[in-house]
Amino acid sequence: GQNIDQPTEMTATEGAIVQINCTYQTSGFNGLFWYQQHAGEAPTFLSYNVLDGLEEKGRFSSFLSRSKGYSYLLLKELQMKDSASYLCAVKDSNYQLIWGAGTKLIIKP
Amino acid sequence: DAMVIQNPRYQVTQFGKPVTLSCSQTLNHNVMYWYQQKSSQAPKLLFHYYDKDFNNEADTPDNFQSRRPNTSFCFLDIRSPGLGDAAMYLCATSRERGGSDEQFFGPGTRLTVL
Repeated sequence: GQNIDQPTEMTATEGAIVQINCTYQTSGFNGLFWYQQHAGEAPTFLSYNVLDGLEEKGRFSSFLSRSKGYSYLLLKELQMKDSASYLCAVKDSNYQLIWGAGTKLIIKP
Repeated sequence: DAMVIQNPRYQVTQFGKPVTLSCSQTLNHNVMYWYQQKSSQAPKLLFHYYDKDFNNEADTPDNFQSRRPNTSFCFLDIRSPGLGDAAMYLCATSRERGGSDEQFFGPGTRLTVL
């Protein structure tokens, strides 16, 4: 079966750095997405990785290792508004998105 | 601004009473998706349209139906809602189904079944 694993919940301090990990086992691979979802709202796109390595976009970076079936999302200079769930999703060989359950990130002052 | 719109934002229905949720998009995207999301769970794909081509997920109950009368609009019909159908329903669009094509989500409709 296809599976995406990510921690259920993480806590971090305002101004700090946090890394959210995601491991996946899918039938084929056509890219990995990270989405942010605030409570009661829709997911919004953060990043896309299809090649190994680090993609940086402002305070957010995403890393991919296809051989390890592993990705992480790195958030720097954390702000209170970063409190949200972060969902990892992989496009499989049929270009269907397989979603993780999300990591709830709690930011403390 | 180009966007995905869902109506209503909140819907309350009674057990067994049919309900229709609507989604419209101004992005002119080819693909439209319907997801069900329950609290602290991953979004669950119900079905998607690639243009007029309907694609149903194998585990989507027959109770759920969909219509896409034109490029801009897509509807989700729940014929006989049960208590287990209470959830957030998310509509999303993408330009194509390719690898890098991200999905754009509407704000969702939260369905309550009494």
